[in-house]
Amino acid sequence: AQTVTQSQPEMSVQEAETVTLSCTYDTSESDYYLFWYKQPPSRQMILVIRQEAYKQQNATENRFSVNFQKAAKSFSLKISDSQLGDAAMYFCAYRRRNRDDKIIFGKGTRLHILP
Amino acid sequence: DGGITQSPKYLFRKEGQNVTLSCEQNLNHDAMYWYRQDPGQGLRLIYYSQIVNDFQKGDIAEGYSVSREKKESFPLTVTSAQKNPTAFYLCASSSHRVNTEAFFGQGTRLTVV
Repeated sequence: AQTVTQSQPEMSVQEAETVTLSCTYDTSESDYYLFWYKQPPSRQMILVIRQEAYKQQNATENRFSVNFQKAAKSFSLKISDSQLGDAAMYFCAYRRRNRDDKIIFGKGTRLHILP
Repeated sequence: DGGITQSPKYLFRKEGQNVTLSCEQNLNHDAMYWYRQDPGQGLRLIYYSQIVNDFQKGDIAEGYSVSREKKESFPLTVTSAQKNPTAFYLCASSSHRVNTEAFFGQGTRLTVV
């Protein structure tokens, strides 16, 4: 069975600094999607970034980028120039490609931004 | 505007009563999901449906039931058999073909007293 593990329950970073959130996953599949979601205090889930496993290039969205290491089954999220609005829970998620299947989430990392 | 709507936002029920949480989407998505969120537990899958009139149990289906009679709707019933129903419930939908990420509703906070 596929699993997603986020080993950092909480992290803190100084405003304007860079922080990296870790995620590892376990799967026997070769083709899948990985996602990072943000959940601010409003509790609305927001997609931050998506990575397709068949693409070697790491996805980037403005200040957010990932380090996708397929062999190591690692998918970390880097947030550059951290802002107060980045404070939230961050969830890593996995989904098999081209299959009628569920989306599996990790337990989340709570990110605090220190002014 | 296309989106996914959960109602109500807050729900209070007495212990022993069944309660149904509503989830509607107008994104024309085939797949719909129900997750439960508890502190420190992340999002745990209750049920999911890939097509009308079909659904599968997730990791924590006991004490819950669902139906999928229409593509747009996926209501979740929390039955009296659910031992600890107080939680935050999130509904989501996704497409198999494009933008395969899940789109979420705003959630329902259920409190059983």
